[in-house]
Amino acid sequence: DTEVTQTPKHLVMGMTNKKSLKCEQHMGHRAMYWYKQKAKKPPELMFVYSYEKLSINESVPSRFSPECPNSSLLNLHLHALQPEDSALYLCASSQAWTAIYNEQFFGPGTRLTVL
Amino acid sequence: AQSVTQPDIHITVSEGASLELRCNYSYGATPYLFWYVQSPGQGLQLLLKYFSGDTLVQGIKGFEAEFKRSQSSFNLRKPSVHWSDAAEYFCAVGPQAGTALIFGKGTTLSVSS
Repeated sequence: DTEVTQTPKHLVMGMTNKKSLKCEQHMGHRAMYWYKQKAKKPPELMFVYSYEKLSINESVPSRFSPECPNSSLLNLHLHALQPEDSALYLCASSQAWTAIYNEQFFGPGTRLTVL
Repeated sequence: AQSVTQPDIHITVSEGASLELRCNYSYGATPYLFWYVQSPGQGLQLLLKYFSGDTLVQGIKGFEAEFKRSQSSFNLRKPSVHWSDAAEYFCAVGPQAGTALIFGKGTTLSVSS
């Protein structure tokens, strides 16, 4: 199984809502990533988890809260978002954050709209 | 600083015509290079990658890319484009272990009939 799955595919939320994005992989990868992507732009790295521990936080606002409950699962908890947070949120995984050949596998993304 | 440049923002080619998308990188050592494709509203799909060895790399969907160290380039090619190839294409560099992928700004490919 060489697939990264993400749920939901689409999410619409108000600025006072709390919601969560979910990402799952069963490739035995020990690194998982959250990216944010605006239209016609490349993905921007938000967080990196390595062996279920947060390794990188790219100065992301605290209204985004990542969680890695186990090696296969990655969540992104959302609270009090702003309309400018509307974007495609991509999850990715790779064998290991410190692997020399760090090929990342991407999920299909969650399209988030904040009203 | 490491960087990736995709000089062409938007390219239009006729169906059946050949395609070349350009990618230039700036990095001191041998980089690990990737080409990803993204259809509208979809995630990124890996087309091909270069880590070492043969500088001509074959990928999925009939794509190939050639690593040219002297030109710091990793251009993507396809001999005959299909309408389904219309998408956004990203070149990326994976500099070294424990550092983030560096993406180019992307090239939008349109295919005309």
